[in-house]
Amino acid sequence: ILNVEQSPQSLHVQEGDSTNFTCSFPSSNFYALHWYRWETAKSPEALFVMTLNGDEKKKGRISATLNTKEGYSYLYIKGSQPEDSATYLCASPGGNEKLTFGTGTRLTIIP
Amino acid sequence: GAVVSQHPSRVICKSGTSVKIECRSLDFQATTMFWYRQFPKQSLMLMATSNEGSKATYEQGVEKDKFLINHASLTLSTLTVTSAHPEDSSFYICSASAQRNQPQHFGDGTRLSIL
Repeated sequence: ILNVEQSPQSLHVQEGDSTNFTCSFPSSNFYALHWYRWETAKSPEALFVMTLNGDEKKKGRISATLNTKEGYSYLYIKGSQPEDSATYLCASPGGNEKLTFGTGTRLTIIP
Repeated sequence: GAVVSQHPSRVICKSGTSVKIECRSLDFQATTMFWYRQFPKQSLMLMATSNEGSKATYEQGVEKDKFLINHASLTLSTLTVTSAHPEDSSFYICSASAQRNQPQHFGDGTRLSIL
C-alpha cells in the first residue's frame, strides 16, 4: 500500500495571492503522479499526470512540479481566484493503475 | 472530453435494503473501472477494481459478498450494496480511464444513507 500524504490539510488564501501545496509519495517503484481538483457538488477533475523527474506542467494559472528522487510534487496557483476554491487531491498509481489518494488540501479563496 | 456518468446521486433507504449504483463511461470503452468509498474527512479509499468480463478484484478488508460488482459491458459497471446497514452509509464514487497511464475520469458520486 502506497503512502501518499498532502499538506497542508486546509488553506485560506486571499484573492489575488499565489499559493502552493505539497504532495509526498514513495520514491521507490514510482510510476506516475496525478493531481485532481474536486469542487463541491462536482466530480474530481484531472489536472495533471506527471511521470518524469523534473516534469513541470502548466494549465492556465495552475502549475505542478515533480521530484521523483525525493518523492514530492508541488502544485502552484498564481493569482488565486474564488473559482479556485476546491479540494486538491494527488494520487499515485501502482503498476496496476490502482490509485492511492492523499487526503487532499482544501483551498478556500477569500474574496 | 471523456465523461463518466454515475447514478443515483443520492439514496436514502431502510436498513436491509439492497442498493445498486451504476457507473457508465459515455464516450469511451473502459475494460477497467474503479470503485471508491469516502468516509467523512478522509480521502478516497479504493474498494475494488471492476474488470469487464471477469471477477472484480477487491481491496483488503472489503467484503465481496457485501459489495457486489458486475462489469458486464465495456461501458457499464454496477456496485450493489447488499442488505445495507447504517454503517454502509457513505459516499461512493467510480472512475474509469480511456487508456492506460491516462488520468481517471470520475462519476459524480453517490451519497448513500441507510436509516
